[in-house]
Amino acid sequence: DVKVTQSSRYLVKRTGEKVFLECVQDMDHENMFWYRQDPGLGLRLIYFSYDVKMKEKGDIPEGYSVSREKKERFSLILESASTNQTSMYLCASLNSPGRKSNQPQHFGDGTRLSIL
Amino acid sequence: GQQLNQSPQSMFIQEGEDVSMNCTSSSIFNTWLWYKQDPGEGPVLLIALYKAGELTSNGRLTAQFGITRKDSFLNISASIPSDVGIYFCAGQGPRRDDKIIFGKGTRLHILP
Repeated sequence: DVKVTQSSRYLVKRTGEKVFLECVQDMDHENMFWYRQDPGLGLRLIYFSYDVKMKEKGDIPEGYSVSREKKERFSLILESASTNQTSMYLCASLNSPGRKSNQPQHFGDGTRLSIL
Repeated sequence: GQQLNQSPQSMFIQEGEDVSMNCTSSSIFNTWLWYKQDPGEGPVLLIALYKAGELTSNGRLTAQFGITRKDSFLNISASIPSDVGIYFCAGQGPRRDDKIIFGKGTRLHILP
């Protein structure tokens, strides 16, 4: 089974802090994703990466950056946290369409981040 | 861009009842996915559909990939208390660079 592990289930930070959310997957998947989930808004894509050191903006990248130095790890960075970034953050991984098409995404358990 | 409409937003049913929810898209998809999310957890894949007309079951759950490729249905038969949660549909278009798009979820409540 695919295992996507997010480093923290709950995190509390202060406004202006730099925040790192870590995600690791153990299935050698090329593609990794960061979403945030808010009531009434569903899942919104922040950034995704289709290879090491490659990244693409999703639908709501403002205020975030990402890092993919190794294939198994995809980090989400809040450069200067703000209260409107309080949310549930979900990481996902996906095999490459070129290797086997249309493979379902696998999600981590999520990090509930509160910015005070 | 592509849009996905999931309905209903919430459902309240009695234990033992059958449940049906659906998703429609503004354009055709090659893949439909159904996930369930329990409180405080990440979404877990229930059923994946890859072909128009496909009907797939997973225990008491059945999902169908619509013939038009623009809709999908999830049915739960004989609901039980642990079926409570949020059900998400997701779809992906036919192009290699099409992103997976999620519906906003259907929250299922089971009344005692």
